[in-house]
Amino acid sequence: GAGVSQSPRYKVAKRGQDVALRCDPISGHVSLFWYQQALGQGPEFLTYFQNEAQLDKSGLPSDRFFAERPEGSVSTLKIQRTQQEDSAVYLCASSLTHWETQYFGPGTRLLVL
Amino acid sequence: QQQVKQSPQSLIVQKGGIPIINCAYENTAFDYFPWYQQFPGKGPALLIAIRPDVSEKKEGRFTISFNKSAKQFSLHIMDSQPGDSATYFCAATFNSGNTPLVFGKGTRLSVIA
Repeated sequence: GAGVSQSPRYKVAKRGQDVALRCDPISGHVSLFWYQQALGQGPEFLTYFQNEAQLDKSGLPSDRFFAERPEGSVSTLKIQRTQQEDSAVYLCASSLTHWETQYFGPGTRLLVL
Repeated sequence: QQQVKQSPQSLIVQKGGIPIINCAYENTAFDYFPWYQQFPGKGPALLIAIRPDVSEKKEGRFTISFNKSAKQFSLHIMDSQPGDSATYFCAATFNSGNTPLVFGKGTRLSVIA
């Protein structure tokens, strides 16, 4: 079946621009996670949804980062006034409730110039 | 504070060799330990996972060894192939995995023919 999809795959933004990154989880998956992966590093947690409820946003690095999942399926990660340090790969993962495996999408590579 | 420490950072082995990647964790509440494989430009894919009630788990050529008292676990790849060349991440989580994963920094494995 279809896996987790993310769009766009690549995004180049000028410093100060706002960007929106989309995640389509596996159909029926209740849990959705966003991670940030810097070059040469492991993914780091940003935020977590169960259905439409954002249960944990402790990993968001600043108030410029905002995520939503209004209908409990597709999620959008928005970054306002992008900075160079925001350049990274943004990964989305989904999982069934009470199921261990998190399935990752291919990521969106964001480059802020 | 890095909760999951992974070593080595990079590893080169001959085809047929047995690369070993090690991880150590700090939080004794962790109860689920997956390994992910990531190819360039792709998202991490689950390889194999273990819970602390067993000391070893084998799936195909991949084996996890787990030492609960030492808070360490490792990945062994038997009969390694050039196609195994990728970056490997250990991770940890609790509450049956329906919580954010904490990743190690990754090991870049190169298997040379």
